[in-house]
Amino acid sequence: QLQLQESGSGLLKPSQTLSLTCAVSGGSISSAGYSWNWIRQPPGKGLEWIGYTYHSGSTYYNPSLKSRVTISVDRSKNHFSLRLSSVTAADAAVYYCARGKPFDIWGQGTMVSVSS
Amino acid sequence: QSVLTQPPSVSGAPGQKVTISCTGRNSNIGAGYDVHWYQQLPGTAPKVLIYGNNNRPSGVPDRFSGSKSGTSASLAITGLQAEDEADYYCQSYDSSLSVYVFGTGTKVIVL
Repeated sequence: QLQLQESGSGLLKPSQTLSLTCAVSGGSISSAGYSWNWIRQPPGKGLEWIGYTYHSGSTYYNPSLKSRVTISVDRSKNHFSLRLSSVTAADAAVYYCARGKPFDIWGQGTMVSVSS
Repeated sequence: QSVLTQPPSVSGAPGQKVTISCTGRNSNIGAGYDVHWYQQLPGTAPKVLIYGNNNRPSGVPDRFSGSKSGTSASLAITGLQAEDEADYYCQSYDSSLSVYVFGTGTKVIVL
């Protein structure tokens, strides 16, 4: 059974770069037809889609975050990653990775806090 | 950018039926893009409940059903149970924003 697990920096200062990785287990990230997504949820708020990558490396980002986001895939390690530059308090959230679409398999999420 | 509007909360007694609406626009639901529904239990990741407007993944009880008409979609829960108390989100694609969008979320309260 496919599982996703997020890991990475949990506490950042304003202007730093967020870096998270999503490890894929129980299956291959190279499975045809699936996108690999990042989604976030600020505390007590709704869900926001950040972007996706395919195993080929092609990507698509939420236009509202595009200037700060990079999503990459490493097929040899069966994982994909998120980098978000110049973070502010508004970027504090639980970050989820998910297989899509629809988003049928989710990681458990990892909390990222931003504080000076 | 929540362009899919849901009621903040709905409530019902055990055994009753509740319906959650998801109101969109001609650039998302009205354009024919699929609507998916997710259930988020407290402290956990969302789980897909309905995909492709009205399809249930394996393991989801048939008490949950989805429908879509025009620029709106709905999730119905019949035979409400205490374990259904959770947040529910609709999700689609918006062609004018070029982004996957989620609804504002609805909290289901079991009285």
